Parts: sequence; structure tokens; C-alpha cells
Amino acid sequence: TQTVSQSDAHVTVFEGDSVELRCNYSYGGSIYLSWYIQHHGRGLQFLLKYYSGNPVVQGVNGFEAEFSKSDSSFHLRKASVHWSDSAVYFCAVSSNNNAGAKLTFGGGTRLTVRP
Amino acid sequence: AQTIHQWPVAEIKAVGSPLSLGCTIKGKSSPNLYWYWQATGGTLQQLFYSITVGQVESVVQLNLSASRPKDDQFILSTEKLLLSHSGFYLCAWSPAEQFFGPGTRLTVL
Repeated sequence: TQTVSQSDAHVTVFEGDSVELRCNYSYGGSIYLSWYIQHHGRGLQFLLKYYSGNPVVQGVNGFEAEFSKSDSSFHLRKASVHWSDSAVYFCAVSSNNNAGAKLTFGGGTRLTVRP
Repeated sequence: AQTIHQWPVAEIKAVGSPLSLGCTIKGKSSPNLYWYWQATGGTLQQLFYSITVGQVESVVQLNLSASRPKDDQFILSTEKLLLSHSGFYLCAWSPAEQFFGPGTRLTVL
């Protein structure tokens, strides 16, 4: 069974600040990790994913995430946030990348960027 | 470019009434398609997936059913809505990572 935990339900920062949104997972085998963003009342947008290779992956809009097997983590970071980054961010895990792969989502972190 | 549409944008329905939500993907043949449910302010739960026409697999039972009548179409339905069906329904397609539609907000009264 795969589980995902996003420990911070809410994060508030100021425009131009850096931010890290935390994601921890538990799963014993090979794992696919991804991050999605959801603006209010909208569908989810894919940000980035990791399966293997370089543990730091780059995504859209200046986001990056770092995989750590020892910490079972896949934290999302951005060096300088913009007000438009305000949204809910979901971390997701899957045991494979095939059709029918069950994506398990974390509870989400609401990021508020103040001007 | 692939586009994914969902209809309707929003629905307000009575308990016990039927429901049909639709999802269409354009620009991609034989996509893998998925239905998700999201409670207000909550996380997403995968409901169904389909890898081909006429074939649908259930992930979570929520008194809902799904069908794939055409390669580019995925339908979510029920004959009797419950209050617990309220929420946000999202359709997604994947080659590998999943891409989501704009969603349908359902309110059951």
C-alpha cells in the first residue's frame, strides 16, 4: 500500500520569498512521484515528476522537486514565488507509469502568496 | 495538441435523481482515461480507469458507474444520487503522467 503525507495544510509567504512544500511517502517498491497544482475551482495541472535518475527534477514555472530515498521525501521548491503561485499543491505517488496506475494523492497544501 | 473537455461545468441535483457526467479528449487516439472525485477542500480519489473502448475498471465503489462508449469519451453516471456524491469530479488522460480536465462541480441537495 502506498501512502502520501503532506504535513503542511497551509503555507503563507510573501511575494519574492522562497518556499518549500513537503511531501513524504511510504512504499516499498519502485515509485513514481509527481506534483500537481490546483487553482481555485479548476482542474489539476501537472508540474513535474520523478522516477529515476537525477533526484532533482525541474518543472514548469520555476518549480523543482528533490527526491530523497533515505527520507522518503519529494519536497517541492521555488526560489521566488509570485502571487499567481497561490493555489493548492498536491503530491502524488504511483507504483508504476502504466495504464491503470493508481495515483494516490496527498491531502494537499494550500499556498498563499501575499503581495 | 490534446484537449480535454468535461460537461457540464456544474450541476445542482436532487437526492435520488440520476446523473451523467461526460469527458471528451481530442487530439489523442486510444488514451488511458480516469475519473476522480474530490470532496470540497479535500484530496482526490481515483474512481475508474479505462484503457480502451468498452473496458472500464473500478478503483473505488461509490455507487457510481462509468462507461467508455467511444475511444474519446468517458461517462460517469448513477441512477440515484446520494448527498455524499457532492464534490468536484475530474477526468484525466495519460500517456504516462496524468493530465486533468477542468472538472465538474456537483451539488446534491
